[in-house]
Amino acid sequence: KAGVTQTPRYLIKTRGQQVTLSCSPISGHRSVSWYQQTPGQGLQFLFEYFSETQRNKGNFPGRFSGRQFSNSRSEMNVSTLELGDSALYLCASSLKGQGNYGYTFGSGTRLTVV
Amino acid sequence: AQSVAQPEDQVNVAEGNPLTVKCTYSVSGNPYLFWYVQYPNRGLQFLLKYITGDNLVKGSYGFEAEFNKSQTSFHLKKPSALVSDSALYFCAVRDRDDRGSTLGRLYFGRGTQLTVWP
Repeated sequence: KAGVTQTPRYLIKTRGQQVTLSCSPISGHRSVSWYQQTPGQGLQFLFEYFSETQRNKGNFPGRFSGRQFSNSRSEMNVSTLELGDSALYLCASSLKGQGNYGYTFGSGTRLTVV
Repeated sequence: AQSVAQPEDQVNVAEGNPLTVKCTYSVSGNPYLFWYVQYPNRGLQFLLKYITGDNLVKGSYGFEAEFNKSQTSFHLKKPSALVSDSALYFCAVRDRDDRGSTLGRLYFGRGTQLTVWP
């Protein structure tokens, strides 16, 4: 079956712009989580969505937001981009995101802010 | 709060030798532990997980991990390393709420770069 699909794979944006990243989970998975990966901070949790509701949120400024649609696809948006937002953004999907269910990660979107 | 630590930034091993990548954890309640591997410019690939049961967990690509409750460790092992095992390895633990229920969030270690030389 198809894995987790993230689009686009690469993005270059200018400071101050905004960006939207997309994640299509594995068919039937209802939980989608987002992580930011940087060399300095490692893997940091952004947020998790389940059935169109944000269930958990990490410690990121309000410029980072997300949403989930009825088909479980998710988008995350970053407004007023800063140089420090340059990172690999990873999406993970899970059947339920709780209990014994594991996570499958996408290949990520590499965002470069110049 | 849950956390994991990977004490080694880098592990180097010769092909054919056994390898160990270390992970220790700090959790409230029973831990749900994971190992993931990341190749350059790729996402994370699941290797194995410990939920409950046998302390020795077998996973993908010949990897296994040993859960040790008294030492709060979950070390990743492989009996015979391959050059193709060279990658970045992450240990992770599931978050829990105050009642002990698991939440949809993973806490990751900083990662260990494994290099297997021919």
